[in-house]
Amino acid sequence: NAGVTQTPKFRILKIGQSMTLQCTQDMNHNYMYWYRQDPGMGLKLIYYSVGAGITDKGEVPNGYNVSRSTTEDFPLRLELAAPSQTSVYFCASSPVGVADTQYFGPGTRLTVL
Amino acid sequence: EDKVVQSPLSLVVHEGDTVTLNCSYEVTNFRSLLWYKQEKKAPTFLFMLTSSGIEKKSGRLSSILDKKELFSILNITATQTGDSAIYLCAVGSTSGSRLTFGEGTQLTVNP
Repeated sequence: NAGVTQTPKFRILKIGQSMTLQCTQDMNHNYMYWYRQDPGMGLKLIYYSVGAGITDKGEVPNGYNVSRSTTEDFPLRLELAAPSQTSVYFCASSPVGVADTQYFGPGTRLTVL
Repeated sequence: EDKVVQSPLSLVVHEGDTVTLNCSYEVTNFRSLLWYKQEKKAPTFLFMLTSSGIEKKSGRLSSILDKKELFSILNITATQTGDSAIYLCAVGSTSGSRLTFGEGTQLTVNP
């Protein structure tokens, strides 16, 4: 099993551009999450989903959008990128019943110039 | 708002030393406290604690939770250079399926 995969690994965007960060898990987990991690900081929750078709905002949702059309995929959309969105983005998933044991993807390092 | 505070924020030790990392929390309807290790990439799960006073142990790492005083500690004995990482503490609430993370402790173990 690949676990949680994320693409791309690195990306540089110009201010105002848009992009989608991809996240896929093959563990049949219902719960999926998007976090951002700024240098020297912990993880901040952007959005999460408890199942296909259900999404909810986390601590820092502004500037982002998500969708969850399948159990496997949970893409994160950045519209009108800003320098404040320069960060490392992690996707995670967890199974129902052990929701706190989250499995993380390798991360996407995004720079907005 | 749920809150997790870790201390120290950074720590430099020599191989063979024992270290104690601290995590205090404020959370509505506590469900669990978790420790993760983050090396260069994604955090990896270490422990999940739900009950006070029960030590979880894995090799040289151990952790315990005090739900009365609202804190947890992570101990690492006989540290090795491979223990160098950021150690993240997180708490889960019964109010939802999300975790609140602390800022992490950056541990550096020098040979």
